[in-house]
Amino acid sequence: QVTLRESGPVLVKPTETLTLTCNVSEFSLSNPRFGVSWLRQPPGKALEWLAHIFSTAEESYSPSLKSRLTISKDTSKSQVVLVMTDMAPVDTATYYCARGTTIFGVSGPYYFDSWGQGSLVTVSS
Amino acid sequence: EVVLTQSPGTLSLSPGETATLSCRASQTVTRSFLAWYQQKPGQAPRLLIYGASNRATGLPDRFRGSGSGTVFTLTISRLEPEDFAVYYCQHYGTPPNTFGQGTRLAIK
Repeated sequence: QVTLRESGPVLVKPTETLTLTCNVSEFSLSNPRFGVSWLRQPPGKALEWLAHIFSTAEESYSPSLKSRLTISKDTSKSQVVLVMTDMAPVDTATYYCARGTTIFGVSGPYYFDSWGQGSLVTVSS
Repeated sequence: EVVLTQSPGTLSLSPGETATLSCRASQTVTRSFLAWYQQKPGQAPRLLIYGASNRATGLPDRFRGSGSGTVFTLTISRLEPEDFAVYYCQHYGTPPNTFGQGTRLAIK
C-alpha cells in the first residue's frame, strides 16, 4: 500500500525557515511515472499547490511562492524535502505531500492519487 | 494560470438523491486534465476522477465525471451518508496546478 508521511515542526516563528520531510513507501522516487508535490490548506480554506519534484529531479514551483521554496529529494532514503523561507502567520496551514502520477511522459501533467495525512504548521511568535 | 470556479458553494441534499457539482475554468483545460477530489473533515483529500471522466481505482460507478473545454461536472447518484463532504476540482495541465474553492455537499 502506497503511503506518504509528513514530518516537521508544528510551530515556527515569523521570519523563520520551515523544513518539512515527506517519507514515502511502496513506490520509488526514481519511477518515471511518479513525482511528489507539496500542497497546503489554511484552516477552513481551499487547497493550494506549492511545488513538485519529478522522477528526474526536475523541480516546479508555484509562481507566487517560487522565491521562498526549495524542493529536493533523496531517492535512496525515499524522502522529499520542502524548505520554505521567511514564514509569516498567513502561512499557517496543514501541509500535505502527495504523489503525482503521470501517464504522459516523465515530466508530464500529473494528478494526485495518494496523499499524506497532513502536518499542521502554525506560524506565531 | 487557470482559475477554477466551483458552484454551488454549498449543496444540501438527502441520501438517495443525485448531486451535480460544477467546475468552470477561466480558459480551456488542455486535453481535459481535470481531476476531482473528496475531502472529509480532518482527512486528506482523496482522488475521485482524473482526465475529467476516469474513475480512480475502487471508486463506485455512482460517481461520474464529465465535461471538456471550460465546463466540467461531477455527478454523484444515489447519495449515501459517506458522500457528504467537500469536493474540489483541480486543473493539472499547463502549470501551475490550481484548485477550485470547493463545494460542500451537506445533508439536508
